[in-house]
Amino acid sequence: KQEVTQIPAALSVPEGENLVLNCSFTDSAIYNLQWFRQDPGKGLTSLLLIQSSQREQTSGRLNASLDKSSGRSTLYIAASQPGDSATYLCARGYNKLIFGAGTRLAVHP
Amino acid sequence: KAGVTQTPRYLIKTRGQQVTLSCSPISGHRSVSWYQQTPGQGLQFLFEYFSETQRNKGNFPGRFSGRQFSNSRSEMNVSTLELGDSALYLCASSRKLATANTGELFFGEGSRLTVL
Repeated sequence: KQEVTQIPAALSVPEGENLVLNCSFTDSAIYNLQWFRQDPGKGLTSLLLIQSSQREQTSGRLNASLDKSSGRSTLYIAASQPGDSATYLCARGYNKLIFGAGTRLAVHP
Repeated sequence: KAGVTQTPRYLIKTRGQQVTLSCSPISGHRSVSWYQQTPGQGLQFLFEYFSETQRNKGNFPGRFSGRQFSNSRSEMNVSTLELGDSALYLCASSRKLATANTGELFFGEGSRLTVL
């Protein structure tokens, strides 16, 4: 059974810190890895998609990497801001995604 | 460009009733998938439709069903509602080509169902 694990479950940091969120998965099959953001009571916003043939993607202050050999993906957030406060979810697969439980991030001024 | 639109956003039902939720994908997207999100189980895949055909199905009972129309809009139905069906139901669309399996999923705001 495929599983996706996210560490840490929660994180509280002061504004300006650089952050690393971790996502690990159990099998080495070739799949996409997608990172999402979810604000309370809202849907999911796609942040970055790393296709199975890629190793990383960048968008603004966000950088995500994928290491299929170790079964890990990392989301790096540079210079965090209070507006980054949300739950961050990683998901693996193609159209049938398997989600991690998420990392709840709080960035305080 | 309009995003994924889900209706209704909120609804309250009682046990034993049925409910139908609607999803309009992003224009040009032909694949629609549905997910259930609960505090205890997190996000779980329900099913995926492409060209009006169910392509994948998650591990949910037969009370959960769906369909897709020729314009790619999709509906999901839950019959004989149980208290445990209370959840946020999310719809996602992607531009799935017939010859490719890679692509980014875009989600709607969800339909929050409360079963009393």
